[in-house]
Amino acid sequence: EDQVTQSPEALRLQEGESSSLNCSYTVSGLRGLFWYRQDPGKGPEFLFTLYSAGEEKEKERLKATLTKKESFLHITAPKPEDSATYLCAVQAAGAGSYQLTFGKGTKLSVIP
Amino acid sequence: EAQVTQNPRYLITVTGKKLTVTCSQNMNHEYMSWYRQDPGLGLRQIYYSMNVEVTDKGDVPEGYKVSRKEKRNFPLILESPSPNQTSLYFCASTYIGQGNTGELFFGEGSRLTVL
Repeated sequence: EDQVTQSPEALRLQEGESSSLNCSYTVSGLRGLFWYRQDPGKGPEFLFTLYSAGEEKEKERLKATLTKKESFLHITAPKPEDSATYLCAVQAAGAGSYQLTFGKGTKLSVIP
Repeated sequence: EAQVTQNPRYLITVTGKKLTVTCSQNMNHEYMSWYRQDPGLGLRQIYYSMNVEVTDKGDVPEGYKVSRKEKRNFPLILESPSPNQTSLYFCASTYIGQGNTGELFFGEGSRLTVL
């Protein structure tokens, strides 16, 4: 069974204080690992897809990295508008498989 | 504008009163899916559909039904709602095959309360 564990559950940062969110996963063959952002009362919004160990993706203050067992979402000099819940999900390899298994998320609060 | 539209956004109902949550997407996606999101449990898949007339169970299908008669629509049916189905529901869609990047497009959510 595919599993995704995110840590910490919640993180409070001062504006400008860089940090990282962790996503550990077990999957029978990784097709892709995904990061989503979710604002309160809204649907998750896609951020990144990572396909293989060593891959990195960047978007503004966010950078996602991937190893064979975990992924990190690095937030550099965060701003209050980065406050949200960040979700990690994995997709297992397999013919016709489009299922995503989600972690429970990390709630990020950036204090001005 | 590309979007996934769910209705209603908010609903309070009573135990046993059948209800349907509609989902429509305008991106010509083959794959559509329903999730529920509960505090401490995260997003869990209820049902999914790979194309018209092709549906399958996700991780928590009990108490729900779906249908896929048209490519753009994927309604979620609660035949006899119970309080444990009180949750935040999301519909999502994506391409399959070569167009698939794994990115799911989510609706805005439907918050359901069953009394």
